[in-house]
Amino acid sequence: KNEVEQSPQNLTAQEGEFITINCSYSVGISALHWLQQHPGGGIVSLFMLSSGKKKHGRLIATINIQEKHSSLHITASHPRDSAVYICAVHSGTYKYIFGTGTRLKVLA
Amino acid sequence: DGGITQSPKYLFRKEGQNVTLSCEQNLNHDAMYWYRQDPGQGLRLIYYSQIVNDFQKGDIAEGYSVSREKKESFPLTVTSAQKNPTAFYLCASGLSGGGNQETQYFGPGTRLLVL
Repeated sequence: KNEVEQSPQNLTAQEGEFITINCSYSVGISALHWLQQHPGGGIVSLFMLSSGKKKHGRLIATINIQEKHSSLHITASHPRDSAVYICAVHSGTYKYIFGTGTRLKVLA
Repeated sequence: DGGITQSPKYLFRKEGQNVTLSCEQNLNHDAMYWYRQDPGQGLRLIYYSQIVNDFQKGDIAEGYSVSREKKESFPLTVTSAQKNPTAFYLCASGLSGGGNQETQYFGPGTRLLVL
């Protein structure tokens, strides 16, 4: 079993839909990151969370430390949101531990 | 413009050949990392460096080598000992030298293919 699990693996949505991507982890963490990988392969950091909730534009990330679970929400989804979303955790060392990613496709 | 650059975008390797992937950053970050990405798997750490002239093996270092002679540069060599090198390689850098809440900044990646 992977230390970081994401669901779903693949997700197709219609433009405008509310989207939720989930991440569960089994290790103690100091921080959790949500990353976005574009079709060309480049990765950008969306959020770093250690507690609570963060919002940036149409993106919202939440974390529940007790339940070892985080969610990434996208409101009013748009085709340009199509990407792979990756959850990664810091478990108190230099390392990120990565999930396998959720591939999102938003249809116009 | 500050950022991380990787070159080339695509690289082809012949059997028995060593190839070197370039990674340069102008973010003044101390820490640099190399990851490998395979379909259906999370990124895996190959090597990392927290300071110039020092580097450590990650989870899958066999068949790879690195150097860190300059703060800005962290090249990765894929040697002939790496029997399955076809993958997407990502370089990253971080500000706090591996601290437990460090944000890593990623380059655009190099796709390595074996001929």
